[in-house]
Amino acid sequence: RKEVEQDPGPFNVPEGATVAFNCTYSNSASQSFFWYRQDCRKEPKLLMSVYSSGNEDGRFTAQLNRASQYISLLIRDSKLSDSATYLCVVNKNTGFQKLVFGTGTRLLVSP
Amino acid sequence: DGGITQSPKYLFRKEGQNVTLSCEQNLNHDAMYWYRQDPGQGLRLIYYSQIVNDFQKGDIAEGYSVSREKKESFPLTVTSAQKNPTAFYLCASSWSGNRPNTEAFFGQGTRLTVV
Repeated sequence: RKEVEQDPGPFNVPEGATVAFNCTYSNSASQSFFWYRQDCRKEPKLLMSVYSSGNEDGRFTAQLNRASQYISLLIRDSKLSDSATYLCVVNKNTGFQKLVFGTGTRLLVSP
Repeated sequence: DGGITQSPKYLFRKEGQNVTLSCEQNLNHDAMYWYRQDPGQGLRLIYYSQIVNDFQKGDIAEGYSVSREKKESFPLTVTSAQKNPTAFYLCASSWSGNRPNTEAFFGQGTRLTVV
């Protein structure tokens, strides 16, 4: 079983739609969680950290469920510019940062 | 501006040659990392370094070597022993230690192609 698993997609949605991605992780000792965005042939960039209480940044909402070991990302009112691959990232925080990346979920927003 | 810089952006290598990818950061980060990304796959950790003059193997270190002689620099050498080196290589840096929710910052990547 992979340490971090995501549905690769692609998710094809029209502009204005709401879309949700889930990610599961296998190591219950994981302590930090992130969503990164990666555009085609570019480097990943941090979209948002995921906090235990859930957090929101504009149209983006991230949630963490430790009991079920999954993380979610909700995007409301999708824009064309949201088209990208979204990477779920988990960090064990065990003395050093070991970020474990999921394979990513591809989102395509169409007019 | 602070950031992390990788060079070159594109690199072509003949089979049997060693090549070195450059990674420099001016963020004053202690920790630096090298990842490899293949099409349709996630990032896989090659090597990481928490402090100058120290580095550790990641999940796929075979055929690669690194050095960390300066805090700012973490070059990666892809040796001829690496059987399938064509990939997108990403360097990252972060604060080290047990700080929760510490993000990693990435360079723009080097796309290596073996010809």
